[in-house]
Amino acid sequence: DSGVTQTPKHLITATGQRVTLRCSPRSGDLSVYWYQQSLDQGLQFLIQYYNGEERAKGNILERFSAQQFPDLHSELNLSSLELGDSALYFCASSVRRDSKSPEQFFGPGTRLTVL
Amino acid sequence: DQQVKQNSPSLSVQEGRISILNCDYTNSMFDYFLWYKKYPAEGPTFLISISSIKDKNEDGRFTVFLNKSAKHLSLHIVPSQPGDSAVYFCAASAREANNLFFGTGTRLTVIP
Repeated sequence: DSGVTQTPKHLITATGQRVTLRCSPRSGDLSVYWYQQSLDQGLQFLIQYYNGEERAKGNILERFSAQQFPDLHSELNLSSLELGDSALYFCASSVRRDSKSPEQFFGPGTRLTVL
Repeated sequence: DQQVKQNSPSLSVQEGRISILNCDYTNSMFDYFLWYKKYPAEGPTFLISISSIKDKNEDGRFTVFLNKSAKHLSLHIVPSQPGDSAVYFCAASAREANNLFFGTGTRLTVIP
């Protein structure tokens, strides 16, 4: 158990809809990262938040947005969903923004299926 | 553009033998490398890492080797056990970037 929690575990929805994925980082971790893993692909970095502020952006679509709240939990919002958005979405956390040891600890993921 | 590559999608090894998983990278700015292990229906679990100032790091049965000139790293598991069967991801980090760049993974099967 990494200490990172994600809800829901599974999500099935229709094209055009909007969903929210939730992540709670490990106790004490200030950074939250979101990754997308499509079928047989590696994890693709979407976005990072550090202590409530956006720190880095990766290959995140404009239809997607995220935020980190004062209690450090984070939400990833996916809107106008398309079939190609079906994937595993992982949240990870780490202690410091510029850690010398950038290990990230991953949650169990949310499997999103868009029908 | 895949900056971290794992060219072997799968590997099968007999129990007790050595497993060698390989990873190549293209970005010379990467200064830290990590291996993650992933079981089905779970998130990736951190396994072992190495800084670019080293060429070897060992932790029990797991050893990671880094060859900077070849932009290549490998994970050795000795001896391999059936519980090691999982997908292994190589990842890299650059000082100026906070995110990790992942390879596509290698599925290791350890045969009893």
